[in-house]
Amino acid sequence: SQTIHQWPATLVQPVGSPLSLECTVEGTSNPNLYWYRQAAGRGLQLLFYSVGIGQISSEVPQNLSASRPQDRQFILSSKKLLLSDSGFYLCAWSVRTASNNEQFFGPGTRLTVL
Amino acid sequence: AQSVTQLGSHVSVSEGALVLLRCNYSSSVPPYLFWYVQYPNQGLQLLLKYTSAATLVKGINGFEAEFKKSETSFHLTKPSAHMSDAAEYFCAVTPAFGNEKLTFGTGTRLTIIP
Repeated sequence: SQTIHQWPATLVQPVGSPLSLECTVEGTSNPNLYWYRQAAGRGLQLLFYSVGIGQISSEVPQNLSASRPQDRQFILSSKKLLLSDSGFYLCAWSVRTASNNEQFFGPGTRLTVL
Repeated sequence: AQSVTQLGSHVSVSEGALVLLRCNYSSSVPPYLFWYVQYPNQGLQLLLKYTSAATLVKGINGFEAEFKKSETSFHLTKPSAHMSDAAEYFCAVTPAFGNEKLTFGTGTRLTIIP
């Protein structure tokens, strides 16, 4: 069966520090991968999605970036965090060949920027 | 382009009462529709999905939703609320003919009153 992992589960970082969040998927190949952010009291905001290694689409201009160095690994990064980067970050995957685009979510990372 | 509107960011119902969470969508092509549930500090879990088969869709935990094209709606219902239903619920839409992305609503927080 497929599983999706995210780490760390929680993170507290000072403003201006770098960020690296990791997401890995097991039990599937060639997935579509997604990064979302939930800010307090808001819905899900799609940040990035990827349909293959090295292929990243950005949905929202910001100081975050994403990379996909391996088929089942998706990394969210920042060189300098802002207070507004605080939130709950969710990684998700979907079967690339599926017609319904059902997405499967990881457990999330709670990021607090102080 | 697609969009989803969830009426009511907060809904409270008594234990044992009917749960009704509203979702209206906008789509220029036939849609697929999803309801996800999120418990505190967790990822999203799929409750049910409409993928152009039966218009009345049954999901997990006793939830169901009905696709009504004439009303562009996909409301989520459960006949009798349970304390464990307290969570945030998200409606999402994607084009029926293949797309990498889901468009999510802003979510409805469901509170169950004992």
